[in-house]
Amino acid sequence: GAGVSQSPRYKVAKRGQDVALRCDPISGHVSLFWYQQALGQGPEFLTYFQNEAQLDKSGLPSDRFFAERPEGSVSTLKIQRTQQEDSAVYLCASSLGRQSQGHEKLFFGSGTQLSVL
Amino acid sequence: GQQLNQSPQSMFIQEGEDVSMNCTSSSIFNTWLWYKQDPGEGPVLLIALYKAGELTSNGRLTAQFGITRKDSFLNISASIPSDVGIYFCAGQRRDMRFGAGTRLTVKP
Repeated sequence: GAGVSQSPRYKVAKRGQDVALRCDPISGHVSLFWYQQALGQGPEFLTYFQNEAQLDKSGLPSDRFFAERPEGSVSTLKIQRTQQEDSAVYLCASSLGRQSQGHEKLFFGSGTQLSVL
Repeated sequence: GQQLNQSPQSMFIQEGEDVSMNCTSSSIFNTWLWYKQDPGEGPVLLIALYKAGELTSNGRLTAQFGITRKDSFLNISASIPSDVGIYFCAGQRRDMRFGAGTRLTVKP
């Protein structure tokens, strides 16, 4: 596709359920990022992939959060045993090159809005 | 938490007025960027700045990369109703860190 695609668009989960959020980056983009955006806040970094390698997962808030990108294209963010504080918009972004110096432009998807009841 | 301090938090202006917002950080960044986010959408890149001191324009938007590499500002001239939205600054090294946003309201 022409842009970054995320699914589902909306997800409602009961507390304790596991969820999986999908990101399809722009074709050929090497770098992929996940961000969490709470209501009224800016996006907060979760994790970064360069191809299939997860190079930085310092932003994942707990070990309930897990991300993968096994073939260096599509990525999945999984949240186990969801809690109410996990409610947020989860944004995926991709860029063409490696983020070694931070000069690559990031293109964002529309996000998945997760509501945990 | 947010590493970038963005101000103001919100602005209410009349159509035609100029707007200025800025972002500061205790960290040095290699790139400063400004994004606009509409409701229900992801952030869309407006301007990217790559060198300290750089001043860049994109239509009615002008942004500058501070000399210290720790700050940036964005100006919007002659605002129009479609400028409404949330504007985020972002500093980039390898990953990208965002400010908390400036919510802009333009009254016709």
